[in-house]
Amino acid sequence: NAGVTQTPKFQVLKTGQSMTLQCAQDMNHEYMSWYRQDPGMGLRLIHYSVGAGITDQGEVPNGYNVSRSTTEDFPLRLLSAAPSQTSVYFCASSYVAPSEGRNTEAFFGQGTRLTVV
Amino acid sequence: GDSVTQMEGPVTLSEEAFLTINCTYTATGYPSLFWYVQYPGEGLQLLLKATKADDKGSNKGFEATYRKETTSFHLEKGSVQVSDSAVYFCALGGSARQLTFGSGTQLTVLP
Repeated sequence: NAGVTQTPKFQVLKTGQSMTLQCAQDMNHEYMSWYRQDPGMGLRLIHYSVGAGITDQGEVPNGYNVSRSTTEDFPLRLLSAAPSQTSVYFCASSYVAPSEGRNTEAFFGQGTRLTVV
Repeated sequence: GDSVTQMEGPVTLSEEAFLTINCTYTATGYPSLFWYVQYPGEGLQLLLKATKADDKGSNKGFEATYRKETTSFHLEKGSVQVSDSAVYFCALGGSARQLTFGSGTQLTVLP
């Protein structure tokens, strides 16, 4: 059981370049989300999805796009990389327990460390 | 909306010292509560959880009790080890579509 898989683990981009961070989960979870983690800032939510075809913005969405064509995959696209996007990016998946109506624990990938020069 | 307030760090302790990291929350209804741990260079891992009032979550010597009357979920360990050095996040799973995280507390344990 792989859980949540993120690729690549490390990436260096030049300012203005675009790229896609990949995230896949094999737990059939409805919810998937992208966070960025900066020193002293904790986790900040970028975008999230509550199911295939449904996405929404989080706290810091500018400069990023997402789509959710399948339950398993939730890629994050950087449209035109900027030094301010240098960060560690985490993908997570979770589900709402039908009997409880509350979000359950989130499962995280190992992260992608992105540097924009 | 939902929110989590977590004790700010960094926290530095000697090995075998007692650890408390405070966490309080604001939420409607009856959320689930979690503690996550992040070791250097890794992603977040679930450490323990509690899903209803007065539940105690425990794992690896860590404990936290869901206190609805004080809206708290403080993390404790009786005797920390160097290997416990990590960042600890308190989180809430409520009516919002995503988990709500605290800002994280860096713990360093010295030998």
